[in-house]
Amino acid sequence: GENVEQHPSTLSVQEGDSAVIKCTYSDSASNYFPWYKQELGKGPQLIIDIRSNVGEKKDQRIAVTLNKTAKHFSLHITETQPEDSAVYFCAASKNNFNKFYFGSGTKLNVKP
Amino acid sequence: DTAVSQTPKYLVTQMGNDKSIKCEQNLGHDTMYWYKQDSKKFLKIMFSYNNKELIINETVPNRFSPKSPDKAHLNLHINSLELGDSAVYFCASSHRDRMSSYTFGSGTRLTVV
Repeated sequence: GENVEQHPSTLSVQEGDSAVIKCTYSDSASNYFPWYKQELGKGPQLIIDIRSNVGEKKDQRIAVTLNKTAKHFSLHITETQPEDSAVYFCAASKNNFNKFYFGSGTKLNVKP
Repeated sequence: DTAVSQTPKYLVTQMGNDKSIKCEQNLGHDTMYWYKQDSKKFLKIMFSYNNKELIINETVPNRFSPKSPDKAHLNLHINSLELGDSAVYFCASSHRDRMSSYTFGSGTRLTVV
């Protein structure tokens, strides 16, 4: 099955700085990669996703890059704000019942 | 309106008891899931139903039994609760054939004492 590894497990940045979270996956057939943000006491919420036919996708301060050859993808958050503080999860999926394999999560702390 | 709603939000119960968690989605999705999040925040799939049919059943103890009366509901019944069952359980839904993202509920924190 798929194995998704996520790094770092914790990340502390100063407000206004950039944050980068990296994930690797093992199954070359995976073709869909969503990123979720989980705030305290809430369920994970989709923030951005990318499909394998695209190398990069951007949505305001958030961007995701995908390197299919190296089997890794990254989340980039620019101009971080305190409200970006949360746990972020990457995931990988392929066309088999939409089953997601999640990374272990990154706790991002943005210091004001 | 809440898209994916779970009840209860908190559940504290004694070992050996039987309990149920309910989930409902109003998004018109055809697939629903149960995920378990342990104390280290790791999310692991337990079950998935597509149009009331079980399509994913990970290695979960038989004490856990999902039930889907219709495609908008997926309940989780747990028999003979054990201390190790303590976790946050998330329900989610999606469109299976569109390779789309999940919409998660807000979770049920189960504590077995």
